[in-house]
Amino acid sequence: SQTIHQWPATLVQPVGSPLSLECTVEGTSNPNLYWYRQAAGRGLQLLFYSVGIGQISSEVPQNLSASRPQDRQFILSSKKLLLSDSGFYLCAWKREAFFGQGTRLTVV
Amino acid sequence: GQQLNQSPQSMFIQEGEDVSMNCTSSSIFNTWLWYKQEPGEGPVLLIALYKAGELTSNGRLTAQFGITRKDSFLNISASIPSDVGIYFCAGQPLTQGGSEKLVFGKGMKLTVNP
Repeated sequence: SQTIHQWPATLVQPVGSPLSLECTVEGTSNPNLYWYRQAAGRGLQLLFYSVGIGQISSEVPQNLSASRPQDRQFILSSKKLLLSDSGFYLCAWKREAFFGQGTRLTVV
Repeated sequence: GQQLNQSPQSMFIQEGEDVSMNCTSSSIFNTWLWYKQEPGEGPVLLIALYKAGELTSNGRLTAQFGITRKDSFLNISASIPSDVGIYFCAGQPLTQGGSEKLVFGKGMKLTVNP
């Protein structure tokens, strides 16, 4: 069966520090992968999606970037975090958006 | 961009009552999905709908894909305390190419009083 893993579960980072969140999928190949951000428990905003290795599409201009170095790995990054980057980040795969457990990021 | 209007935004009900919520769009969708999210966790897919008019049940949950392809509803019958959470609708617009991106509603927060 397919599973999606996302880590870490929580993260507290100072302003200006770098960020790397990782998501991996098991049990499938060539999945569509997505990064969402959710603010204040509501409203999922699509940040990036990828249909294959090295293929990244950005939905909104922001301080973040994404990469897909392997078929089942999707990474969300930032060189310098802003306070406004705080939120709940969710990785998902497949058309029906099966989500990971999420990462609660607090930028202080 | 495309938006989904999800209503109501919140509901407070007594255990045993039925709940109904819906989502509407100004454009046509070819897939409708319903999720439940509990605090600190990712949303979990409850029901997926792929055809106009489709009516699907999952235990006490029933959802329908509207005939016009611009709306969907979710019903929860005989609510129980563990139904508490935020329920999201999501849809895949008709023209998406290969990305299969979803548009999400803003969620409906359900509180069930024992």
